[in-house]
Amino acid sequence: GAVVSQHPSWVICKSGTSVKIECRSLDFQATTMFWYRQFPKQSLMLMATSNEGSKATYEQGVEKDKFLINHASLTLSTLTVTSAHPEDSSFYICSARGQQNYGYTFGSGTRLTVV
Amino acid sequence: GEDVEQSLFLSVREGDSSVINCTYTDSSSTYLYWYKQEPGAGLQLLTYIFSNMDMKQDQRLTVLLNKKDKHLSLRIADTQTGDSAIYFCADYMDTGRRALTFGSGTRLQVQP
Repeated sequence: GAVVSQHPSWVICKSGTSVKIECRSLDFQATTMFWYRQFPKQSLMLMATSNEGSKATYEQGVEKDKFLINHASLTLSTLTVTSAHPEDSSFYICSARGQQNYGYTFGSGTRLTVV
Repeated sequence: GEDVEQSLFLSVREGDSSVINCTYTDSSSTYLYWYKQEPGAGLQLLTYIFSNMDMKQDQRLTVLLNKKDKHLSLRIADTQTGDSAIYFCADYMDTGRRALTFGSGTRLQVQP
């Protein structure tokens, strides 16, 4: 079945530094990838949608200069949290969609802690 | 915008059936999904149903869709302790950004 690999699983960084999270579709081509953020005991909030080769579409309230998304190939999307602050600490999850509409596949998530 | 709602918590005894409910607001939803999330993990797709279906069964899982009332349910038969997790319903519309909209999640606790 479809597999999405997300790395790293967890990361701790200092305030002011940048962190890059990778999301790879291993056995299918992901025409669209989605990035979500999840706070403790809450639902997933869509941050942005990225299509291969084009600029990401950000949801209202998400700073595009802070959360840089690159979808350079059909199998890789990256999210870079720039100049991270403690309030950016959260669980980030990517999702990939192939040609078919059903069966969005999710990565295992990245827990970011900014100290 | 689209809104998806779920009850927050459900507790059942091992061996009983669990029913998790979900309501959504947009009648143009095309697919509806159920995902399972264990602590610190990503989301695992359990099942999905197309909007023109009323029911779908997959082993211990039964999904019922009442499109008139915009109500979706997931029934887990013979619930096991390994089923303890958070269950999210989500809907998909074949318009706009085509992302999933998630409910708040239902925490299922299975007691031995």
